[in-house]
Amino acid sequence: EPEVTQTPSHQVTQMGQEVILRCVPISNHLYFYWYRQILGQKVEFLVSFYNNEISEKSEIFDDQFSVERPDGSNFTLKIRSTKLEDSAMYFCASRGRDRGYEQYFGPGTRLTVT
Amino acid sequence: TQLLEQSPQFLSIQEGENLTVYCNSSSVFSSLQWYRQEPGEGPVLLVTVVTGGEVKKLKRLTFQFGDARKDSSLHITAAQPGDTGLYLCAGVKTTDSWGKLQFGAGTQVVVTP
Repeated sequence: EPEVTQTPSHQVTQMGQEVILRCVPISNHLYFYWYRQILGQKVEFLVSFYNNEISEKSEIFDDQFSVERPDGSNFTLKIRSTKLEDSAMYFCASRGRDRGYEQYFGPGTRLTVT
Repeated sequence: TQLLEQSPQFLSIQEGENLTVYCNSSSVFSSLQWYRQEPGEGPVLLVTVVTGGEVKKLKRLTFQFGDARKDSSLHITAAQPGDTGLYLCAGVKTTDSWGKLQFGAGTQVVVTP
């Protein structure tokens, strides 16, 4: 069964460093998302991406964040200069064209900023 | 104020008992999804409901979407220890056209043998 994959599973970085989180969405899906979940808190929307551009972003998704679909299969989230408060689980999700907006999530990347 | 309020936050029951988890909002949703999440893992989709009043069954799990599409419930019949987990409801508001999911805070279900 097709699934969303994410790498790495865990990333440790120092404050101020750049990180790139990678995702491979389900192959025939067209809409891509990043969410994050700070420990003990609910899942929060970061950004949606369609037709090679951002379709919607949250207040969290400031100039330090960017997304890209470089090669038609990978979908990346870059944080340019990480802060301590960026420590969280980051989930990639994708969906096809369906009425129900069904989204399938990857296993997540745990980002720890020290 | 949470857009999607889940109740209860925590539920502990014995194997064989029934349980119901609620997801309520003052907003109208185009669709509502239920996920299950294990510690350190991503949410796993259980079901999507899109029509007001819709009822879907997945083995011992029954999902209902409210007539006004503002609320939903998850009912588990004869719970088993394998049903232990964090259950999340998430919805797409009718005003959101790109599918942004709004999540509830989750209900932690513990089923003891």
